[in-house]
Amino acid sequence: TQLLEQSPQFLSIQEGENLTVYCNSSSVFSSLQWYRQEPGEGPVLLVTVVTGGEVKKLKRLTFQFGDARKDSSLHITAAQPGDTGLYLCAAPAEYGNKLVFGAGTILRVKS
Amino acid sequence: DTEVTQTPKHLVMGMTNKKSLKCEQHMGHRAMYWYKQKAKKPPELMFVYSYEKLSINESVPSRFSPECPNSSLLNLHLHALQPEDSALYLCASSQARQGRSGKLFFGSGTQLSVL
Repeated sequence: TQLLEQSPQFLSIQEGENLTVYCNSSSVFSSLQWYRQEPGEGPVLLVTVVTGGEVKKLKRLTFQFGDARKDSSLHITAAQPGDTGLYLCAAPAEYGNKLVFGAGTILRVKS
Repeated sequence: DTEVTQTPKHLVMGMTNKKSLKCEQHMGHRAMYWYKQKAKKPPELMFVYSYEKLSINESVPSRFSPECPNSSLLNLHLHALQPEDSALYLCASSQARQGRSGKLFFGSGTQLSVL
């Protein structure tokens, strides 16, 4: 069974601080996606990483895919209250047209 | 149009009621999904439709009945639900790529409360 383990489960920080969220697995994935979900809304795709070692930047967010394509990280620089939400990593399941989701990281940024 | 539209946004129903959730997308996606999400937890897959045919049923109880009338619409019929079925129900769509899931576009969900 493919599993994605996310850490930490919950993060509460002050505005302006930096943070990193991790997504780890013992399985190799062809790609990995990161979603952010705000309260009362559905998840929204932030990025897809495909190549081992790949780094993608989206404004203050930096995403990295591990060299072996088993892990990924999301780093947020100078967090803002608008970054508050549930962050989910997800990867294609080995079989079937579906995604495997990590358990999620709840981020709260206080002003 | 990159939206997935879900109606209603909120639904309260009794355990003997029959109701339906609706989902619509006009992105030409040929894969559509129903997910159930409890508060502060990741979405749990319920059903996948690929080219209007049910391709995955994640052992969902029969009180949930999906329907895909055409490539743009997805319904979830609810009957005799239990209080533990209260959750956010999310619809999503993606391009169907040889059976591997592409990126998902989610609707805003229907917040369901079963009394």
